[in-house]
Amino acid sequence: AQSVTQLGSHVSVSEGALVLLRCNYSSSVPPYLFWYVQYPNQGLQLLLKYTTGATLVKGINGFEAEFKKSETSFHLTKPSAHMSDAAEYFCAVTLYSSASKIIFGSGTRLSIRP
Amino acid sequence: DVKVTQSSRYLVKRTGEKVFLECVQDMDHENMFWYRQDPGLGLRLIYFSYDVKMKEKGDIPEGYSVSREKKERFSLILESASTNQTSMYLCASSFSSFGGGADTGELFFGEGSRLTVL
Repeated sequence: AQSVTQLGSHVSVSEGALVLLRCNYSSSVPPYLFWYVQYPNQGLQLLLKYTTGATLVKGINGFEAEFKKSETSFHLTKPSAHMSDAAEYFCAVTLYSSASKIIFGSGTRLSIRP
Repeated sequence: DVKVTQSSRYLVKRTGEKVFLECVQDMDHENMFWYRQDPGLGLRLIYFSYDVKMKEKGDIPEGYSVSREKKERFSLILESASTNQTSMYLCASSFSSFGGGADTGELFFGEGSRLTVL
């Protein structure tokens, strides 16, 4: 069965520093991978997704993620953190390109220090 | 832009009350979902619907029911609310390949309904 593990329930970085949020998945077949962001008191919105093709995926707000099959990882990065990046981030996986089968990680709360 | 609207952002109910959470989407999506979000547990699927009057249980359907009488509207019902149902409830919708759309797995979420059961 597929699963998603997000390492670190809370990550804190200084403004301007690199953001790295970790996500590992378990899957027997090539997955579709997603990162969603949830700002305070809001629903989730799609940050980026990997389906097929290029393994480095660029998303909104300067975020990107790289699909590494050998490491079963899909870590999210941003070169320079901004105060507005403070939010909760969810990694998700689905095997069948179907939203009805998507599995979410437990989330990582990102805090930004001034 | 896709818009998923949840009728109530904040609700406070008493144990044993019947609770209705309403969700409407304006993108003609076939699929609609209800998730529950709790700290440290991520999102857990309660029910989803792939067509009008069609529904399937998710991972945690106990204590909940759903209704989908129209394509754009999906309701979550708590027949008799309990304190352990205090949570954030998120509605989402998506395209379906069965409907001729491109189901890439992307979900479109509402802003959430925070329910407190006393």
